[in-house]
Amino acid sequence: AQSVTQPDIHITVSEGASLELRCNYSYGATPYLFWYVQSPGQGLQLLLKYFSGDTLVQGIKGFEAEFKRSQSSFNLRKPSVHWSDAAEYFCAHNAGNMLTFGGGTRLMVKP
Amino acid sequence: DAGVIQSPRHEVTEMGQEVTLRCKPISGHDYLFWYRQTMMRGLELLIYFNNNVPIDDSGMPEDRFSAKMPNASFSTLKIQPSEPRDSAVYFCASSRTGVGAFFGQGTRLTVV
Repeated sequence: AQSVTQPDIHITVSEGASLELRCNYSYGATPYLFWYVQSPGQGLQLLLKYFSGDTLVQGIKGFEAEFKRSQSSFNLRKPSVHWSDAAEYFCAHNAGNMLTFGGGTRLMVKP
Repeated sequence: DAGVIQSPRHEVTEMGQEVTLRCKPISGHDYLFWYRQTMMRGLELLIYFNNNVPIDDSGMPEDRFSAKMPNASFSTLKIQPSEPRDSAVYFCASSRTGVGAFFGQGTRLTVV
């Protein structure tokens, strides 16, 4: 079965530090991959997506993610975290017409 | 575009009552998804529609849950009768190609 794994349930970083959130997927063909962010009490907002082509994709709010087929990974990065980035982040992939989500990573930002 | 619109934002009801959640997808989108989010289970896909037709409802937990999409601009998710374990945030999402999705703000349901 297709699945998405986010190994880190919680991550805490200092404001201004760099960030990497991990995501691994299991799917035979090249999947469509996504990162969403959810602030408390809000819905999910699409940060970025990968369909094909350049394996480094840029998203909103200064985020980027890199697709690595050899590692079945699609890690999310940001060079300098802001306090407003504190939220929960979900990796997802499309298999067929359905989005399958990872368990999420809750990001906390220290001042 | 106003995005995906869900109503109500919050619902508190007593066990045994009928609950109806509503969703207006983004205009032009032909896929509509209903998700449920809980601390224990995370985000679960309940059902999705394509061109108003239910395609996969394998995620619907029980017969107490039903969903309809009478037209391209409206869908409902109904729980009858409701139980405390149905308490969760229910999200509606839509997409144009079935790839990725845009989410509504969610309905927080509390069944007491």
